[in-house]
Amino acid sequence: DAKTTQPPSMDCAEGRAANLPCNHSTISGNEYVYWYRQIHSQGPQYIIHGLKNNETNEMASLIITEDRKSSTLILPHATLRDTAVYYCIVRVAVTGGGNKLTFGTGTQLKVEL
Amino acid sequence: SQTIHQWPATLVQPVGSPLSLECTVEGTSNPNLYWYRQAAGRGLQLLFYSVGIGQISSEVPQNLSASRPQDRQFILSSKKLLLSDSGFYLCAWSGAYTEAFFGQGTRLTVV
Repeated sequence: DAKTTQPPSMDCAEGRAANLPCNHSTISGNEYVYWYRQIHSQGPQYIIHGLKNNETNEMASLIITEDRKSSTLILPHATLRDTAVYYCIVRVAVTGGGNKLTFGTGTQLKVEL
Repeated sequence: SQTIHQWPATLVQPVGSPLSLECTVEGTSNPNLYWYRQAAGRGLQLLFYSVGIGQISSEVPQNLSASRPQDRQFILSSKKLLLSDSGFYLCAWSGAYTEAFFGQGTRLTVV
């Protein structure tokens, strides 16, 4: 399974962009990069995923380097409600369909006034 | 739309007692189902996953077991709880190659 490495914590001022990095240097060609976040004592929430191209949705943007060994999740205008642990995950397909999501320890993002 | 239900939200059980946590999914068929555990201050650990009725794969050796008696029902069980079984248990579902959606979790305290 590809491993991911993230900084344990980051701070961001409210209204500014939050850029969360992730290294996944052993990723395979058919493995997707997923991002989830977990607000304290809740279930993780899906944010975005991508394979090769950059992706954008209503929550965030995902920038994947050309060699796919790292990616950055961008929250364009962070708010206090974005304070959470952010997980970068490489999806591993399993026999018969389905995905195993192996969570690391993530990045604790703290958005401050 | 699809929804996932997980109960109870909190549970306090004595050491040596049995455990049964239930998870059900609505609005989809043949989902892939997952049980995760999160110890205090730690990341999520995948315990079991299932790609179909009666098909259970275990990720780590432990004191727990899982069953899938129906297509959209996933049960986590233990015959005798240990103190180390305390944690935040999360059920999730996904399509064959889609993102996973998580329930709100059960906080289990074994005393």
